[in-house]
Parts: sequence; C-alpha cells; structure tokens
Amino acid sequence: EIVLTQFPGTLSLSPGEGAALSCRASQTVSSNSLAWYQQKPGQAPRLLIYGASSRATGIPDRFSGSGSGTDFTLTISRLEPEDSAVYYCQQYGSSPPYTFGQGTKLEIK
Amino acid sequence: QVQLQQWGAGLLKPSETLSLTCAVYGGSFSDYYWNWIRQSPGKGLEWIGEINHSGSTTYNPSLKSRVSISGDTSKNQISLRLSSVTAADTAVYYCARSGYSRSSSFFDYWGQGTLVTVSS
Repeated sequence: EIVLTQFPGTLSLSPGEGAALSCRASQTVSSNSLAWYQQKPGQAPRLLIYGASSRATGIPDRFSGSGSGTDFTLTISRLEPEDSAVYYCQQYGSSPPYTFGQGTKLEIK
Repeated sequence: QVQLQQWGAGLLKPSETLSLTCAVYGGSFSDYYWNWIRQSPGKGLEWIGEINHSGSTTYNPSLKSRVSISGDTSKNQISLRLSSVTAADTAVYYCARSGYSRSSSFFDYWGQGTLVTVSS
C-alpha cells in the first residue's frame, strides 16, 4: 500500500499570494496517477486535479498540479478567500487500495 | 448532470451492521466504477471498496472480512454493508464515482455524505 504524506500540515497566507502544497509518496506512483481534492467544512471533497497535472472540469486555471515519481505539488496562484479549505492528494497508480494523504489545511487570512 | 444521493441509518450499536445505499442520477451507470469512501478524524479519508455494473467488486484489505458492496442496475443504486461495527467505524461515509480503467480511478462525483455513529 502506498502511503502519501502531505506537508505542510497547515498553511496560512494572504489573499493574492501563491501557495505550494506538497504530497510525497512512499513509493513511485505509476503513470503519475495522482489526484488532488479540495474539501470545505460540511462538504464532500471536490476533484481539482487528476493525472498529476490535468484540471478537472470547471476548475480555474489558478489551480495547477505538477510532479512525478514520488513528489507532487499543488500550486494555487492569486489566492482568494474561498480557497480556504483542506486539500488532499490521492494515488490510484497501483492496485487497490487507493490511498489518500492526511491533508493540508489552507487558511486565507 | 450527475448526482449521487445516499441514505442509511446514522446511529448504530457495537456489533450491529452498517447499511447505506447510494442512488445515481444522470449519466451512465455502466461506464463507471462506484465506490464507498469514509472519513473519520482519526484515519482521514479511507477507500472502502468499489463495484462495477457487472457486480465485480474490490475491497480494501483492511476491511475485507467485514464489508460487502452490492449493486442494482435496474435502479442505478449501490449499497454498502459493514458488519460487526465498533466505535472505530464512526465516520462520514461517502459514495463516489470513478472511471472504468485503473488509470482513471480518481473520484469525480461524490454523494453528500452520511454520518454514522457507533455508540452503546
């Protein structure tokens, strides 16, 4: 089972700034099969990025994904107050079980 | 527009069986896998298992001995049963859609979530 570690645990930034959220896998994620999700309180996770760098339908281009192998990054540019949320990575490159990181909480102050 | 609507009992006693159902509205039921995922404060997001329209299932080994996922293609519904629950099974349970190939096993549509509490 691939273990995903996300860092930092919490990130506090101001509107207009940029954010870089990291996700590190315990072994190579094949075919860059990594997704990112955004979750706000009381809501289900929302798909942002799949295939490490492809934006899901309706996701603004302020959100971008990069990385390969074991190290992946979600970059959010020009932060807006509504970007406050917990962000999770998920790998699906190996046979099930699919696994998630523990999340990064992004606060926009 | 694809919508997943789920329901089921929210309060269980230890040793009882958790039972949830998820109905899929809009889109194709047969072209995707349908999953159950849970989220607890202690363990974060945990994938429980998946089923396709043919009834083929895969489960998380950590839960395999207690979990069963079934589907009803006539109603576009999937169901989750988790037996012998304990307090550790307290979580918000989600149903979610993923693609039909392993290269698309990310979750693009989610149900609204059901909080299941296990307490005596």
